[in-house]
Amino acid sequence: KAGVTQTPRYLIKTRGQQVTLSCSPISGHRSVSWYQQTPGQGLQFLFEYFSETQRNKGNFPGRFSGRQFSNSRSEMNVSTLELGDSALYLCASSFWGQGGRETQYFGPGTRLLVL
Amino acid sequence: AQTVTQSQPEMSVQEAETVTLSCTYDTSESDYYLFWYKQPPSRQMILVIRQEAYKQQNATENRFSVNFQKAAKSFSLKISDSQLGDAAMYFCAYRSAKETSGSRLTFGEGTQLTVNP
Repeated sequence: KAGVTQTPRYLIKTRGQQVTLSCSPISGHRSVSWYQQTPGQGLQFLFEYFSETQRNKGNFPGRFSGRQFSNSRSEMNVSTLELGDSALYLCASSFWGQGGRETQYFGPGTRLLVL
Repeated sequence: AQTVTQSQPEMSVQEAETVTLSCTYDTSESDYYLFWYKQPPSRQMILVIRQEAYKQQNATENRFSVNFQKAAKSFSLKISDSQLGDAAMYFCAYRSAKETSGSRLTFGEGTQLTVNP
């Protein structure tokens, strides 16, 4: 089974622009979560989507948004980019069939640099 | 809110030796999951081991085992017979078992493990 894939792997943007990152979960997985990883703040939860609905949201400004499609693929969007948005963005998927007892598996991440 | 603390920013071990990474967490919940993930230089987050809070038996996966002390809210990872490929950043993570919490993971700060040949 193919793992979680994320595109693009690397991205350079300038302040004020917007960016869209994509995540394809493991086949059959219905839950997709997004995390931001920075040297200063560590790993922080952004949001989770399950069956095309946002199920959980972390403490991030409204510039960060996401969605999930019927095939479980997910996108996250960051509008009006700031320098502080430079980070590794990780996506994780899980099946969520037994009340959520399954493990999450992570993708390789998208490294975003904002200049 | 739950918090996870890893008090050792860096650790080192000699190849073939044993090392223990520490993790403590704070929660008022009784049912939850704990994980150790490893992140090598490639930045790919890889699951090492998982523990369910309702299970008293400590989880083991080959050379990796945990010491889960629920009352003390402690969850340490022991790596036996350390190998060069074990060198990575290790993250301890907590996940609530409440359905409303979904799959949300709360991570510790990480411990950078160096394996010396």
